[in-house]
Amino acid sequence: EAQVTQNPRYLITVTGKKLTVTCSQNMNHEYMSWYRQDPGLGLRQIYYSMNVEVTDKGDVPEGYKVSRKEKRNFPLILESPSPNQTSLYFCASSLWGLNNSPLHFGNGTRLTVT
Amino acid sequence: GQQVMQIPQYQHVQEGEDFTTYCNSSTTLSNIQWYKQRPGGHPVFLIQLVKSGEVKKQKRLTFQFGEAKKNSSLHITATQTTDVGTYFCAGPVETSYDKVIFGPGTSLSVIP
Repeated sequence: EAQVTQNPRYLITVTGKKLTVTCSQNMNHEYMSWYRQDPGLGLRQIYYSMNVEVTDKGDVPEGYKVSRKEKRNFPLILESPSPNQTSLYFCASSLWGLNNSPLHFGNGTRLTVT
Repeated sequence: GQQVMQIPQYQHVQEGEDFTTYCNSSTTLSNIQWYKQRPGGHPVFLIQLVKSGEVKKQKRLTFQFGEAKKNSSLHITATQTTDVGTYFCAGPVETSYDKVIFGPGTSLSVIP
């Protein structure tokens, strides 16, 4: 089944403790991206990647890192999480990017930083 | 910077009533996509509009892209409880087609 898989679904952590949220897609998509969703603000793009070893900042990249060492994986790294990073996170992929193809979203990761 | 707004933010309708949400961009969009997110779920792609003035229909859903390609609308005829969710519009950022900007969404509640 074609899908985007995120793990974990829920994560509670403390300020400053490094964490990684994994994202994997099995559709051979070139484009992958991360979003955070907060009430009243909709979805905001954190980082995106057009291809392996190519990553770029979205609208809200501060406090986050990503890597794209393989086509299928696009992990989101929080080196030193802070409470303002408490949010619902979505990973998404598409064949070529928003200009030509739809985004396929993972099920989301609800992160709480205390 | 570029902004995408949606109105209304919330809409409560009686089952069987129609519903419309509007999406307005501060700049011209090369294309616009619509997504639906059910409560507790993830956004799911509905449709993409590319041409100025384009109108597309999916059963009870009608999507329009404005002539100036700066606004769009989604109209649902005779809403059903299965239509409940938040509807987002999204488009590529003007200066970088690889960056995406989403509207804040319209949350639809349907009263049976």
